[in-house]
Amino acid sequence: GQNIDQPTEMTATEGAIVQINCTYQTSGFNGLFWYQQHAGEAPTFLSYNVLDGLEEKGRFSSFLSRSKGYSYLLLKELQMKDSASYLCAVPDSNYQLIWGAGTKLIIKP
Amino acid sequence: ETGVTQTPRHLVMGMTNKKSLKCEQHLGHNAMYWYKQSAKKPLELMFVYNFKEQTENNSVPSRFSPECPNSSHLFLHLHTLQPEDSALYLCASSQDGDGGAYTQYFGPGTRLTVL
Repeated sequence: GQNIDQPTEMTATEGAIVQINCTYQTSGFNGLFWYQQHAGEAPTFLSYNVLDGLEEKGRFSSFLSRSKGYSYLLLKELQMKDSASYLCAVPDSNYQLIWGAGTKLIIKP
Repeated sequence: ETGVTQTPRHLVMGMTNKKSLKCEQHLGHNAMYWYKQSAKKPLELMFVYNFKEQTENNSVPSRFSPECPNSSHLFLHLHTLQPEDSALYLCASSQDGDGGAYTQYFGPGTRLTVL
């Protein structure tokens, strides 16, 4: 079966750095997605990793280790608007996304 | 309008009512999805349509009935729902090719409350 684990909630301070982890178990591997979802809004695409390593996109970076079944989302120079839930998802054998429950990130001044 | 739109944004219905949720995508995509999002639970895939053909139905109760008249529009018809069906219903679309995982773009969702 497939399983995705990520912390339920994290708290960080404005201006700081936070790392949100995601571990997954899949029968095959077709990449890993990160989405951001503000309360009451649609999930929006952040990143897609299919190869090992770190991909940087402005203040947000995403890391993947396929051998460890592990990914993280790194957010730098945190802003209050980064308060949101961060969802990790991996495709199944039919390429349909299996989602984690999301990590709610709370930013404090 | 751009992106993926959903109407209504909020819906309150009794268990004997019949209602429909509407989704429209303006991205030229060929695949559309319905998801259910309950508090503190992962997104649950309900239905997938690819080129207007239903390709996934994840054991969803028959009180939920999807309809995809064309590649831009998707409906979810609701009847005799239960209180546990109260949730956020999200529509998404993607441009799929020959296998592989493709980025999905979501609408804002319909917040459904069943009394």
